[in-house]
Amino acid sequence: KQEVTQIPAALSVPEGENLVLNCSFTDSAIYNLQWFRQDPGKGLTSLLLIQSSQREQTSGRLNASLDKSSGRSTLYIAASQPGDSATYLCAVGSYGNKLVFGAGTILRVKS
Amino acid sequence: NAGVMQNPRHLVRRRGQEARLRCSPMKGHSHVYWYRQLPEEGLKFMVYLQKENIIDESGMPKERFSAEFPKEGPSILRIQQVVRGDSAAYFCASSPTQGAMNTGELFFGEGSRLTVL
Repeated sequence: KQEVTQIPAALSVPEGENLVLNCSFTDSAIYNLQWFRQDPGKGLTSLLLIQSSQREQTSGRLNASLDKSSGRSTLYIAASQPGDSATYLCAVGSYGNKLVFGAGTILRVKS
Repeated sequence: NAGVMQNPRHLVRRRGQEARLRCSPMKGHSHVYWYRQLPEEGLKFMVYLQKENIIDESGMPKERFSAEFPKEGPSILRIQQVVRGDSAAYFCASSPTQGAMNTGELFFGEGSRLTVL
């Protein structure tokens, strides 16, 4: 049974700082890995999708890496801004697009 | 291209009533997934449907919950005889038809928040 863990559970940083969010999973037989952002009371916004054959994906100030063999992914946010404050969710996809989610990292960027 | 549309956004029911949550997938998407987010917990998979077929319902509670995705119209998640423990945010996601265009990426709606009094 796939289990996804995100560390840290919460993070508070000053504006402008670069930061790394961590995600680990127990079963390396994955189809893909997705990072989402969730604002309070809102839905999920897809940030980055990494296929199992890929090592990383980049979008603007975001970079996500994937190491299947060690069961790890990281989300790197450069030059953080107060607007980046949200909950970041890591989700591992198996065949059939069934996603297993981590509990999330609550990020607060202070101005 | 409208995103995944869910309604109602908020629903209040008394114990024992029925709740119906609707989801219209993105245009061109024929796969629908329902997830539940309980207070202070992560999202949990409930059910995966294609038009007129339930593909995987391994995350659905055995009783009171059902889902459908008819040939015409939105997908419906139905909860009968609701209890307080059903209070949660229910999210729907969609993905394109399987094949070369399907990267496996899921697109989520804004969610339906059910409160059971």
